[in-house]
Amino acid sequence: GNSVTQMEGPVTLSEEAFLTINCTYTATGYPSLFWYVQYPGEGLQLLLKATKADDKGSNKGFEATYRKETTSFHLEKGSVQVSDSAVYFCALSSNTNAGKSTFGDGTTLTVKP
Amino acid sequence: GAVVSQHPSWVICKSGTSVKIECRSLDFQATTMFWYRQFPKQSLMLMATSNEGSKATYEQGVEKDKFLINHASLTLSTLTVTSAHPEDSSFYICSATDRGNTEAFFGQGTRLTVV
Repeated sequence: GNSVTQMEGPVTLSEEAFLTINCTYTATGYPSLFWYVQYPGEGLQLLLKATKADDKGSNKGFEATYRKETTSFHLEKGSVQVSDSAVYFCALSSNTNAGKSTFGDGTTLTVKP
Repeated sequence: GAVVSQHPSWVICKSGTSVKIECRSLDFQATTMFWYRQFPKQSLMLMATSNEGSKATYEQGVEKDKFLINHASLTLSTLTVTSAHPEDSSFYICSATDRGNTEAFFGQGTRLTVV
């Protein structure tokens, strides 16, 4: 079956530090990959996505590249802000069961001023 | 982008009562909707998948008689938590997709507290 493994958290960084949150996956077929962000007490917001190998998703300074050879989709940001503090979920949706999302455990990011 | 609206955002109910949560796709036809449950500081766990006009498919360990799902139209799915108990308190999130789209669009979630 499908699975997503995220680096264990929580992650604490100082403002303007570089961020990497690792994500690897196991899936049948050719999945689409997503990063979602969840702020306290709120629902999920799509941060970025990639639908095929070598695609790079980007949004708000965050980037992730779909690496089929390493089955990875690591999230990066060059300079984090306090407002980036949230929980980040890596997820996949396979083309064999469209829309059904498999999530990683989530990584809590805290950015200190 | 596609919008999914979930209602209510939060609800408090007494033990033994039933609660209905609605999930609506506002600007597309949702052929498939998904219901997830999220406990504090945990990830989202899929509860069930519903296709319009069909019975829902429940994940292993989810009681179908307790969590009633109805997907009667292409824009609305409902989750009814029957005879709620405090252990049912959780954050419930729906998502919806149209035919063949690997991306699902998420509602804002419903926080259920059973007292």
